[in-house]
Amino acid sequence: DTAVSQTPKYLVTQMGNDKSIKCEQNLGHDTMYWYKQDSKKFLKIMFSYNNKELIINETVPNRFSPKSPDKAHLNLHINSLELGDSAVYFCASSRPGPYEQYFGPGTRLTVT
Amino acid sequence: DAKTTQPPSMDCAEGRAANLPCNHSTISGNEYVYWYRQIHSQGPQYIIHGLKNNETNEMASLIITEDRKSSTLILPHATLRDTAVYYCIVRSRHRYGGSQGNLIFGKGTKLSVKP
Repeated sequence: DTAVSQTPKYLVTQMGNDKSIKCEQNLGHDTMYWYKQDSKKFLKIMFSYNNKELIINETVPNRFSPKSPDKAHLNLHINSLELGDSAVYFCASSRPGPYEQYFGPGTRLTVT
Repeated sequence: DAKTTQPPSMDCAEGRAANLPCNHSTISGNEYVYWYRQIHSQGPQYIIHGLKNNETNEMASLIITEDRKSSTLILPHATLRDTAVYYCIVRSRHRYGGSQGNLIFGKGTKLSVKP
């Protein structure tokens, strides 16, 4: 069974559109994350979310918003997509605290 | 910014031990050393972590110097499937409630295992 899954795997869309990426974990973890990996392969934290407490990386535009319908899901909504949003987005989960994070397979977003 | 320094790339012969160094000279007393790797086009994968004692699991060994300013990840018998970018990360040990627990990825070391 896949521990952390993301859908879709690939997403191609035009500038200005609104899109969502879904993430689900079946590990029973309380904390979930979203990371962005750009074309230069730098992997950066965007959000961490635990028990309805959201920690936002200050560099993330407010066009990005995570939404958690329940503890097992943390979806990423992106409004008014821009070319610079093209990247691979990874979801991850962990227990609260200094525990290892489990990553999903990634969603490659291409904005044209 | 990442608090660690790693060589950008390393080569290793298949079947030999791969020793990946990491400098973290500004590490503080409550920070752990974590290692993750990212195989091409996949999500990062946790390998091992430690505070001050050497650690070993089924994937690797982690050797941390006594002053904790550097560490070495050892893959005892590297295979072609170990070709990946390896990230050394320092992270504070704290109850969740702030950004200090987030993983800050640097550039990592690209390990190429060759036949």
